[in-house]
Amino acid sequence: GESVGLHLPTLSVQEGDNSIINCAYSNSASDYFIWYKQESGKGPQFIIDIRSNMDKRQGQRVTVLLNKTVKHLSLQIAATQPGDSAVYFCAENIHKLIFGTGTRLQVFP
Amino acid sequence: DTEVTQTPKHLVMGMTNKKSLKCEQHMGHRAMYWYKQKAKKPPELMFVYSYEKLSINESVPSRFSPECPNSSLLNLHLHALQPEDSALYLCASRRVEGSGTEAFFGQGTRLTVV
Repeated sequence: GESVGLHLPTLSVQEGDNSIINCAYSNSASDYFIWYKQESGKGPQFIIDIRSNMDKRQGQRVTVLLNKTVKHLSLQIAATQPGDSAVYFCAENIHKLIFGTGTRLQVFP
Repeated sequence: DTEVTQTPKHLVMGMTNKKSLKCEQHMGHRAMYWYKQKAKKPPELMFVYSYEKLSINESVPSRFSPECPNSSLLNLHLHALQPEDSALYLCASRRVEGSGTEAFFGQGTRLTVV
């Protein structure tokens, strides 16, 4: 079946710490994954993506890791800032984009 | 220009009303999407248009009627909605359907059915 799930519904971190948001997927045919950030009252905003033939991809302060063996995806945010507070969704692409359940990231000073 | 524009931002409608949501992009994308998002839930796919033709309908009730007049525009016509249809409606576009490329989202239309 097609499902994308997250391990933690809420993650609270201190400003300056690193954050790790996890995501599990079940469809081994998924060929592409995206992490989105959604702030309150706004549409999802692209953060970073990774293709299934890669294990790791880095962006500015963010890194996505893909473990196809256990069907696991993670988003690492370095030096988390208050502006990172939002809900983060992983999305899985087969022939259509399917979203996981989301994790709320709360950053406190 | 990487913007997907949705209008209106907010809409309140009665159960007997007819209204339309509009979405526009000028990135030359040939796949356009409607998603529905309830509070504290992920976006759920409703419709996919590929090259102006309906490609996917995720068993959406007929009171929601999509339309793609051209490659830049996507509409969602609403008629006889129920209060449980109140949600954030998101439009998105991608270069082509199913491609390994990001989908760009609009800011959504917050719909309230009274």
